[in-house]
Amino acid sequence: NAGVTQTPKFQVLKTGQSMTLQCAQDMNHNSMYWYRQDPGMGLRLIYYSASEGTTDKGEVPNGYNVSRLNKREFSLRLESAAPSQTSVYFCASSETPGGVTEAFFGQGTRLTVV
Amino acid sequence: DAKTTQPTSMDCAEGRAANLPCNHSTISGNEYVYWYRQIHSQGPQYIIHGLKNNETNEMASLIITEDRKSSTLILPHATLRDTAVYYCIVRVAKNNFNKFYFGSGTKLNVKP
Repeated sequence: NAGVTQTPKFQVLKTGQSMTLQCAQDMNHNSMYWYRQDPGMGLRLIYYSASEGTTDKGEVPNGYNVSRLNKREFSLRLESAAPSQTSVYFCASSETPGGVTEAFFGQGTRLTVV
Repeated sequence: DAKTTQPTSMDCAEGRAANLPCNHSTISGNEYVYWYRQIHSQGPQYIIHGLKNNETNEMASLIITEDRKSSTLILPHATLRDTAVYYCIVRVAKNNFNKFYFGSGTKLNVKP
């Protein structure tokens, strides 16, 4: 049981380049999330998807777009990468949007923008 | 949204109980307290959650004060593998959707 899988694990981009971070879960969860974590800080919510077909902004959405491709997959896109987006990105999923449930996290994507 | 306050770091001797405090004085009546931990910058790992009553599972115990303004996570017999950053989180449910807001957490150092 893989849980939440993120690709790639590491990425280096030049300023202005674009890329898409992929996330897939195999737990049949309804809700999915994207977080970023900067050094020495906790995780901040970028975007979330309560259920297939819906997406909403979190705390720090600027500079990002998301797509909930299907129930399994939730991608995060950086259209024009900036050094301020250097961070570790975590994808997570949970069973229900509003119920009492835990969130399961992927192992992270370490992104450096130079 | 309810915020949490945790000490930046704590030390604990191996084999002893680790007691990690958390303040959440603005918590609402229907908001749950969750605890996660993060080892070596891996993805956060769920530990336990609770609303009003004390909770226990195979990993830890959660003690919530009667006024719900603070809680304590207890690892009964800490091991070196429990060295991690521990996050106390208030689950915010808006429009029937959960959001998990993370603070900076407590770095627990378990020492031999």
